[in-house]
Amino acid sequence: GQQLNQSPQSMFIQEGEDVSMNCTSSSIFNTWLWYKQDPGEGPVLLIALYKAGELTSNGRLTAQFGITRKDSFLNISASIPSDVGIYFCAGPFNYGQNFVFGPGTRLSVLP
Amino acid sequence: DAGVTQSPTHLIKTRGQQVTLRCSPKSGHDTVSWYQQALGQGPQFIFQYYEEEERQRGNFPDRFSGHQFPNYSSELNVNALLLGDSALYLCASRLAGTGVDIQYFGAGTRLSVL
Repeated sequence: GQQLNQSPQSMFIQEGEDVSMNCTSSSIFNTWLWYKQDPGEGPVLLIALYKAGELTSNGRLTAQFGITRKDSFLNISASIPSDVGIYFCAGPFNYGQNFVFGPGTRLSVLP
Repeated sequence: DAGVTQSPTHLIKTRGQQVTLRCSPKSGHDTVSWYQQALGQGPQFIFQYYEEEERQRGNFPDRFSGHQFPNYSSELNVNALLLGDSALYLCASRLAGTGVDIQYFGAGTRLSVL
């Protein structure tokens, strides 16, 4: 079945630093979604991408839809303590009715 | 406007028992999906309910079943619990006909099987 890979698995950064993470797939996706999950909470949608090459921003977050449609990237600029959490990429299957998630990138921000 | 609510928040069961988890979708939503999230992993799709019927199903055994009520709320039932069923169970809701990204998740039910 479809499978997503995310890297890095985890990362520790200093407050104020920029962060980059990526997601790859063996299959082509027509949509890429990026979610963040805080401890004890469900995933919250950060950014949705719909077109190859698309670059979309949401505040300090910027995500890109890879040209091959098999990858996506998420960047966070000037990290702050509340950026701590697990970041998941996700892609739709079954005609877009539901989606498959990557294993996540765990972000820790050191003061 | 309440978001997606799930109950209970935590649950402890023993192997072989049965469990029922509940979900109330966000107001105005009519489609409910259930996901299993094992520790350290991303959520895995279990099934989706719309108009009180199971519409899609992921790669989960028949021990996992569900129901949707006329008020759109939903239940997830798991029979003959195994240790490997220990996970966070997430419910997500959306309004049918809207885009795939307009799906809201609840905080989940943490199930521990001993």
